[in-house]
This record gives sequence, structure tokens and C-alpha cells, in this order.
Amino acid sequence: QVQLQESGPGLVKPSQTLSLTCTVSGGSVSIGDYYWSWIRQLPGKGLEWIGYIYYSGSTYYNPSLKSRVTISVDTSKHQFSLKLSSVTAADTAVYYCARNSSFGMDVWGQGTTVTVSS
Amino acid sequence: QSVLTQPPSASETPGQRVTISCSGSSSNIGVNDVYWYQQLPGTAPKLLIYRINQRPSGVPDRFSGSKSGTSASLAISGLRSEDEADYHCAAWDDSLSGWVFGGGTKLTVL
Repeated sequence: QVQLQESGPGLVKPSQTLSLTCTVSGGSVSIGDYYWSWIRQLPGKGLEWIGYIYYSGSTYYNPSLKSRVTISVDTSKHQFSLKLSSVTAADTAVYYCARNSSFGMDVWGQGTTVTVSS
Repeated sequence: QSVLTQPPSASETPGQRVTISCSGSSSNIGVNDVYWYQQLPGTAPKLLIYRINQRPSGVPDRFSGSKSGTSASLAISGLRSEDEADYHCAAWDDSLSGWVFGGGTKLTVL
């Protein structure tokens, strides 16, 4: 059974770059049936899709975040990663990684809280 | 401000039926499938309904989805206390070329 686990710093200073990694266990990021997403949930708010990546490296980003987002994949480590630059307090959120299939976002990580503060 | 519009809250008593709406536009719900996610308190979202009205294995048939035009609905019948959660709708948006979500609906089982 595929499981996803986010990892990375829980505290990031304003203007710096947020970096998170999602490790895929029980499966492979190289399977062509899936895209690999990052989603965030601002405090007390709904979900916001950040973007996703295909194993080949093709990416799709939320237009509202596109200028600051980079998603990459490391198939050898079964990982995909998120970098969000020039963060502000408005980027404080719970960040989730998820698997996108033809059935929707069908596997989610448990989420990791990232706080932007000096 | 979410692209899809959901009521912020809903409530009903155990055993009853509740419906949660999700309103979109011609670039998302109007032309694409709708997905619903259940988020129990303190946990990650879980896929509840895919492709408008399909249930993943393990999801009770008390949960059902529908779509009409640019709106979609999630219905939960025979409400149980364990159904108390946040429910999020989602769809692909052709204009934005990305996934869009509703703001979520907090369901309270009275």
C-alpha cells in the first residue's frame, strides 16, 4: 500500500525559501499513471493546490504561485520536492503531498505544518 | 477566496440526510468531473467521491455525489456522529490549467 510522508523545516524566516520533500513508500514515483501534487491549507481555510509533477519532470503550477514555486522529482530516491521562494507570513500553512490518479487525489501524506516567522 | 463556492457550515441530526453544495463555473464544474474529500478533525483529507458520483472502495453507500450544470452536491444519508468533518469539493479548471477547491464545509452532527 502506497504511503506518502512529508518532511522539512517547520519554521522558515520571511523572505527565505521553504523546502519540503515527500517520500513515497510502497510504490514508485516512476509509474506513468500518476502525477504527484503539493497542496496546502492555510489556517482555518480551505485547500489550495500548489502544483504537481509527472515522473518525467513535467510540471503544472497554480498560476497564483507559479513565480515562486518549483517542484522536482528524484525517481532514484522515490521522492518529490517543493520549493517556495520569498515566503511571507501568508505562506504559513499545513502542506500536504498527494498522489493524483484518474480517481483524483487518492493518497495523501499526513501533512506538515510550516510557520513563517522571524 | 476559493474558486469553488461551498457553504461554510451545515448541520443535521443523526439518522437524517444532509446535502452540501459546491458551485463553480463553465471552466471547471461545468466541463469537468467533481471530486469530494472528507477531512476528519486533525487529519489529512481523504478521497470520498471521484468522477462526480463514484465511491472508492471502503466508502459507505450513504455518501453520494451528483452534478448539474456548474454545480455539484454531496449527499450523506443516515448521518452518524463519525461523519462530523470538513468536506471539500474539487475540480480541474480549464482556464487556470490547475486544480481548484471549494472553501470547505464543516458538517456538525447535532
